[in-house]
Amino acid sequence: GAVVSQHPSRVICKSGTSVKIECRSLDFQATTMFWYRQFPKQSLMLMATSNEGSKATYEQGVEKDKFLINHASLTLSTLTVTSAHPEDSSFYICSARDVKAHTEAFFGQGTRLTVV
Amino acid sequence: GQNIDQPTEMTATEGAIVQINCTYQTSGFNGLFWYQQHAGEAPTFLSYNVLDGLEEKGRFSSFLSRSKGYSYLLLKELQMKVSASYLCAVMDSNYQLIWGAGTKLIIKP
Repeated sequence: GAVVSQHPSRVICKSGTSVKIECRSLDFQATTMFWYRQFPKQSLMLMATSNEGSKATYEQGVEKDKFLINHASLTLSTLTVTSAHPEDSSFYICSARDVKAHTEAFFGQGTRLTVV
Repeated sequence: GQNIDQPTEMTATEGAIVQINCTYQTSGFNGLFWYQQHAGEAPTFLSYNVLDGLEEKGRFSSFLSRSKGYSYLLLKELQMKVSASYLCAVMDSNYQLIWGAGTKLIIKP
């Protein structure tokens, strides 16, 4: 299956700092990438959908100025958590799809963010 | 609205068979996916159904009835290592994935 690489897998940062998470599709063109967060024992919560070369579409309740998403190429999307607070501590997962091919979503390994 | 329903938790015995159900109501339908997710890890793809019927893949089988808005994932010869959450997701008419909350499967010896 297709490979999506997400980095870093774990990060601990101080409150007030920013953290950047990268998501790369290694062997296919990811026209669309999705960013999810997942709290313990809960399902995936879609944060935003990003299409290559255009602005991300954020889900209701997700602050676009806090969660900055860039999808500048067909193989890379980044999520930056700005001015992180302890309540931002969560498991962040990206997934990538070639929407034109209507394929399933391939997931990155996830990033465990802990804000102290 | 769009809705995916699946049980929150199920318990089964090692070596047995378990069926995880998923019902859905979505704006259009372009396929249904099952994913497995171990705690602390990202989901991994298990199966995709777009036509009615049963798809078998080793110890995993997935069934779909579009007229009933219903699918199930069947796991046979359960092994402890398949203790995980199982996520049902439907691709709607806009080719967006709508996710269920997941079913936590607990396997006992």
